Amino acid sequence: GAVVSQHPSRVICKSGTSVKIECRSLDFQATTMFWYRQFPKQSLMLMATSNEGSKATYEQGVEKDKFLINHASLTLSTLTVTSAHPEDSSFYICSASHLQSEDEQFFGPGTRLTVL
Amino acid sequence: DAKTTQPTSMDCAEGRAANLPCNHSTISGNEYVYWYRQIHSQGPQYIIHGLKNNETNEMASLIITEDRKSSTLILPHATLRDTAVYYCIVSFWAGSYQLTFGKGTKLSVIP
Repeated sequence: GAVVSQHPSRVICKSGTSVKIECRSLDFQATTMFWYRQFPKQSLMLMATSNEGSKATYEQGVEKDKFLINHASLTLSTLTVTSAHPEDSSFYICSASHLQSEDEQFFGPGTRLTVL
Repeated sequence: DAKTTQPTSMDCAEGRAANLPCNHSTISGNEYVYWYRQIHSQGPQYIIHGLKNNETNEMASLIITEDRKSSTLILPHATLRDTAVYYCIVSFWAGSYQLTFGKGTKLSVIP
C-alpha cells in the first residue's frame, strides 16, 4: 500500500514552454503533498507543501508564479513549470502523506525534466 | 529543524551488518528521527523513524541514544540492493512533518 506515482517519468521540452507534472496517490487519500527538486549530485530541496483545496505554501526562494501547484483532489497534485529554461532542468519528486499516517511521507519515483 | 551530521560515505561487505551513524545534537524534545534512502535516480524510500525508543521493522533497526543526540541505523544483513544514499532527518509536527534532506551517507555494499 501507500503507492505514489508520477507522470511523466521523463520529459524534454524547448526553452519557453510549460511542462505539467502529475503526482497521484494510488491507494490512499493524500491530505498533504510535497514537491521537491534535486539537481545532479545534490540533495532534495523542498519546493512547496500543498493541502487539498488550499493554496500551496512555497519555500523561500521558490517562485510561485513560475512553479504552479494545484492540489485539486485528495489523490492528485500537479506541478507546472511555466516558461521553462535550461536552469530548470532537474529531477522533480513529489511525496504524500495521509490521515492514517501523517508522520510518514511516501515518495513518487520522480520526473526528470530536461529543458533544451 | 535540527540539523544532522552524517559521514559522507561508507562501505559494507555483503551479508554483514551496516551501521550508519547520525549526530543530531540540537534535537528538541518533540522532534522525531527519520531515516530514508535513495537509490540512484529514484524517489526516496522510507526506512524507519523513532522518537526516543529503539525501533525495529522488516528493513532495519534504529538505535537512539538516551540523550537523543545521536542515532544509528542498522541494516542487519546488507545486500547489493542496499547500495544507496541514506538520509537521517529530524522533523517535528507543524501541520505536517517537513523533511529537510542533508547530504546523507553514500553506502556502498561490496560483494
